[in-house]
Amino acid sequence: GAVVSQHPSRVICKSGTSVKIECRSLDFQATTMFWYRQFPKKSLMLMATSNEGSKATYEQGVEKDKFLINHASLTLSTLTVTSAHPEDSSFYICSASLAGFGDTQYFGPGTRLTVL
Amino acid sequence: SQQGEEDPQALSIQEGENATMNCSYKTSINNLQWYRQNSGRGLVHLILIRSNEREKHSGRLRVTLDTSKKSSSLLITASRAADTASYFCASRDRDDKIIFGKGTRLHILP
Repeated sequence: GAVVSQHPSRVICKSGTSVKIECRSLDFQATTMFWYRQFPKKSLMLMATSNEGSKATYEQGVEKDKFLINHASLTLSTLTVTSAHPEDSSFYICSASLAGFGDTQYFGPGTRLTVL
Repeated sequence: SQQGEEDPQALSIQEGENATMNCSYKTSINNLQWYRQNSGRGLVHLILIRSNEREKHSGRLRVTLDTSKKSSSLLITASRAADTASYFCASRDRDDKIIFGKGTRLHILP
């Protein structure tokens, strides 16, 4: 149980285009979903926390207009990288939490974004 | 900012030996979790230890937590080739923020 999927797993796009990444909790309702970014050979960096039906909370230094997060239902959150640039190339991982705070997070498999 | 620190950064051991990785953090926490990441893959949750717990076991994994020293350790006993991966600790602080360590790259030698 507690499976989280991400789509797509890999995406290559041209500079200036927008890319949407979906994160779904397949067999549970996730009150809270988290988006992370991982730079090569570095640790995960929390980008934002999203609660269903409300605006996402972004971490300091993360541009909310650049990384649009929508958490429209208890099983789906989307991250849209707008006007992507090569420096946005990274591994993006989402996670979902059953009860929100203080609970185990279940991670998606990640999305590899390459911006040409 | 990333506050968690793991050591060692890289560890190579012979198959069958035990592997110990340590993690330190700076603020008071609600819980601490250990994750494994195989190359190019997402994180896999291994074990969660709450701030009022001192030790937890799961199969070949043993996690300890010392809140006075703000540190945790992950022990993998009788290591296998399949244990080769990066291991991250993630502490959840009192503001419910999750802080990941930089990870330990574990390589099990045949």
